Amino acid sequence: NAGVTQTPKFQVLKTGQSMTLQCAQDMNHNSMYWYRQDPGMGLRLIYYSASEGTTDKGEVPNGYNVSRLNKREFSLRLESAAPSQTSVYFCASSEALRTGVGYTFGSGTRLTVV
Amino acid sequence: GQQLNQSPQSMFIQEGEDVSMNCTSSSIFNTWLWYKQEPGEGPVLLIALYKAGELTSNGRLTAQFGITRKDSFLNISASIPSDVGIYFCAGPHSGTYKYIFGTGTRLKVLA
Repeated sequence: NAGVTQTPKFQVLKTGQSMTLQCAQDMNHNSMYWYRQDPGMGLRLIYYSASEGTTDKGEVPNGYNVSRLNKREFSLRLESAAPSQTSVYFCASSEALRTGVGYTFGSGTRLTVV
Repeated sequence: GQQLNQSPQSMFIQEGEDVSMNCTSSSIFNTWLWYKQEPGEGPVLLIALYKAGELTSNGRLTAQFGITRKDSFLNISASIPSDVGIYFCAGPHSGTYKYIFGTGTRLKVLA
């Protein structure tokens, strides 16, 4: 099925460990996004990529890095995980970074940092 | 910065009842989106609104773009158990095309 695929679905890390969350979309979308979801906080934008070759910070970028590997793939890296990064992470994509275009979301990665 | 406030935060209703929820912004939006998130899944777009006063339906769901452009409303008629989930509103961040999301309304339907 066409859509946004995220891996892994679940992950437990120890404080200080690093990991990369993977995201791929097969809808030929230009723009991709990483959000985190915390209880009572809604979805907050971490980083986004308006098009292949560009990335920009969102609302909560500290502690994260991203790579837009190609048009299909957009990865999120935690270099030194902290308990405050325990969250559910969602990748999303859209045709373009423009008003009125809704996002297609992946099913999320549930990350726990102990 | 911009904020989207949703109310109520949670609702417990009986199957068959109608549901109303709203979303308010501290600034004017040109677009309102409503999403539903089911347990263990990512949000799915339900309805998009593009003009003040616009009323749009998707099955039993109806959403309205407030005339002040600072609010939006979502109604669900004759609720069923599969309506369970979290409903989010979203709008584009001022001066950009990045969307910000409300804190969500958690809906539970009792059969």
